[in-house]
Amino acid sequence: GAGVSQSPSNKVTEKGKDVELRCDPISGHTALYWYRQSLGQGLEFLIYFQGNSAPDKSGLPSDRFSAERTGGSVSTLTIQRTQQEDSAVYLCASSTGQVGARGYTFGSGTRLTVV
Amino acid sequence: KQEVTQIPAALSVPEGENLVLNCSFTDSAIYNLQWFRQDPGKGLTSLLLIQSSQREQTSGRLNASLDKSSGRSTLYIAASQPGDSATYLCAVGAGGNKLVFGAGTILRVKS
Repeated sequence: GAGVSQSPSNKVTEKGKDVELRCDPISGHTALYWYRQSLGQGLEFLIYFQGNSAPDKSGLPSDRFSAERTGGSVSTLTIQRTQQEDSAVYLCASSTGQVGARGYTFGSGTRLTVV
Repeated sequence: KQEVTQIPAALSVPEGENLVLNCSFTDSAIYNLQWFRQDPGKGLTSLLLIQSSQREQTSGRLNASLDKSSGRSTLYIAASQPGDSATYLCAVGAGGNKLVFGAGTILRVKS
């Protein structure tokens, strides 16, 4: 597509429920990233996919968080047993994935509220 | 561990003023540095990307400089307009293609 598409744009869920967030990157971009932006804080790296390589999961805050990328394109970030501290904007980005790449394109994000 | 700091945290200027936003980083071993704009409730829009071998990039009224050895970048906005009001984020491309972000500068341009 023309840009990075994320869905849903907003999600309100009850504490303890599981949620799935979707990211559809720019066609042809081999690298895909998930970041989290909590209120009043900077963006926090979560996970990075590059082609068929094993993902870099070093930023995932707990084992309740997981992500997959099917067919090298669409990615789903899953949060199990959501907690109130999971409330944040979850941003997805994609890039050509090369060192010194032309830059990263972000989606509009999913605003997650856990009540 | 790479850390990115942005100063000031917030800035309010009258329309037409030229302004400078500052970004510093602790580890000079970066691949690139990127400036983004974020409007309230929106995602990030890329403004300028400077590769590690470059000193500056320009786009319209925006000019970004990079001094890798001193770990600094500045974003210069000329003739500011109310439409420039947003949060400006600096991010460095670190190892593994990750971006490390600063906390941002909230800019308000008053008409």
